[in-house]
Amino acid sequence: DQQVKQNSPSLSVQEGRISILNCDYTNSMFDYFLWYKKYPAEGPTFLISISSIKDKNEDGRFTVFLNKSAKHLSLHIVPSQPGDSAVYFCAASAGSARQLTFGSGTQLTVLP
Amino acid sequence: NAGVMQNPRHLVRRRGQEARLRCSPMKGHSHVYWYRQLPEEGLKFMVYLQKENIIDESGMPKERFSAEFPKEGPSILRIQQVVRGDSAAYFCASSPMTGDNSPLHFGNGTRLTVT
Repeated sequence: DQQVKQNSPSLSVQEGRISILNCDYTNSMFDYFLWYKKYPAEGPTFLISISSIKDKNEDGRFTVFLNKSAKHLSLHIVPSQPGDSAVYFCAASAGSARQLTFGSGTQLTVLP
Repeated sequence: NAGVMQNPRHLVRRRGQEARLRCSPMKGHSHVYWYRQLPEEGLKFMVYLQKENIIDESGMPKERFSAEFPKEGPSILRIQQVVRGDSAAYFCASSPMTGDNSPLHFGNGTRLTVT
């Protein structure tokens, strides 16, 4: 039972354009959501997070949107750069628990 | 990533041998989490430990797997009598304390190959 789903295994975007990565969740107890970026042979690196009391959080080129009623979040990267090419994981946690439930990831390729 | 240290980076074991994976958390962090990533999948939670305490092992397979985080030294994930299905990347993460909303910091993982 996948509680966090990333339905697009891959996404290709032209440099300078917007990348939109999507994530859906089923567990209504999740109240904290994160995006991690992962390069091959490295561990996940934290990118941006959002609490369920917000619907948007922005950090430079990265913006995360949360739609609680749809149980959907998205990560927008604009403008996309070739160095953004990596696997992006959506993750969620519930309450004071720090354990994260991860999606299966989306491979983003930014074409020069 | 550099703050959480995992070793070895790569580990090859024959079926039936034991695998020991080590994780030193970031300085000042007292909580450690182990995750496993199977090929083409996301990371799956295994176990959460504080010093000398297992807090949550709901993601650990019931047999052959154990974890510890002693008062001194790194956290150890131990897999006894490894099988081919144990081949995966094992990631460790650490955090300073519960109730703190800072994100988990991950190490670069140990890639276990069972031949």
